[in-house]
Amino acid sequence: AQSVTQPDIHITVSEGASLELRCNYSYGATPYLFWYVQSPGQGLQLLLKYFSGDTLVQGIKGFEAEFKRSQSSFNLRKPSVHWSDAAEYFCAVGAGNYGQNFVFGPGTRLSVLP
Amino acid sequence: DGGITQSPKYLFRKEGQNVTLSCEQNLNHDAMYWYRQDPGQGLRLIYYSQIVNDFQKGDIAEGYSVSREKKESFPLTVTSAQKNPTAFYLCASSGPVTDYSNQPQHFGDGTRLSIL
Repeated sequence: AQSVTQPDIHITVSEGASLELRCNYSYGATPYLFWYVQSPGQGLQLLLKYFSGDTLVQGIKGFEAEFKRSQSSFNLRKPSVHWSDAAEYFCAVGAGNYGQNFVFGPGTRLSVLP
Repeated sequence: DGGITQSPKYLFRKEGQNVTLSCEQNLNHDAMYWYRQDPGQGLRLIYYSQIVNDFQKGDIAEGYSVSREKKESFPLTVTSAQKNPTAFYLCASSGPVTDYSNQPQHFGDGTRLSIL
């Protein structure tokens, strides 16, 4: 069964600084990988997804992620963080066609200092 | 605009009481899902349904029940058998199950359930 770890529970960065959120997965084959963002009291919004092809994936809100098979990682990056990026970020891995094989990481909470 | 509507936003349950959370989607998606979210634990799958009149248990189905009588609707009942129901509940949907890219990508805004 697949699993996802996000080593950082909470990260604080200053506005304008760069950001990298870590995600490691465990799965025997090539996984489908996702990053979601959740604002307090809201649902999840898809930032980006990786299925195949180019290992650097561009998403919404200026985010990108890089799939590294050798490291089983799918880290999320943003070159310059805005105060509105403060939220909870979830990495997820899926396998197959159905949602029952979709597993979320525990999440990383991002705080942004003015 | 299409989307997923969850209601109510906040819900309170008394001991021994069943409560039902509503989830409606107008995205014409085949599959629908219920997740439970607790602090520090990510999302855990309760039930999912790939087509009308069919649904399957997820990882933490005990104490919950669902129905899928219409494509648009997937209500979740939290029964009195669920001893720790306080959590944030999220409903999601995704497109045709024959599409390999079919993963839960559309979420509602959630219902927060608390025990009185």
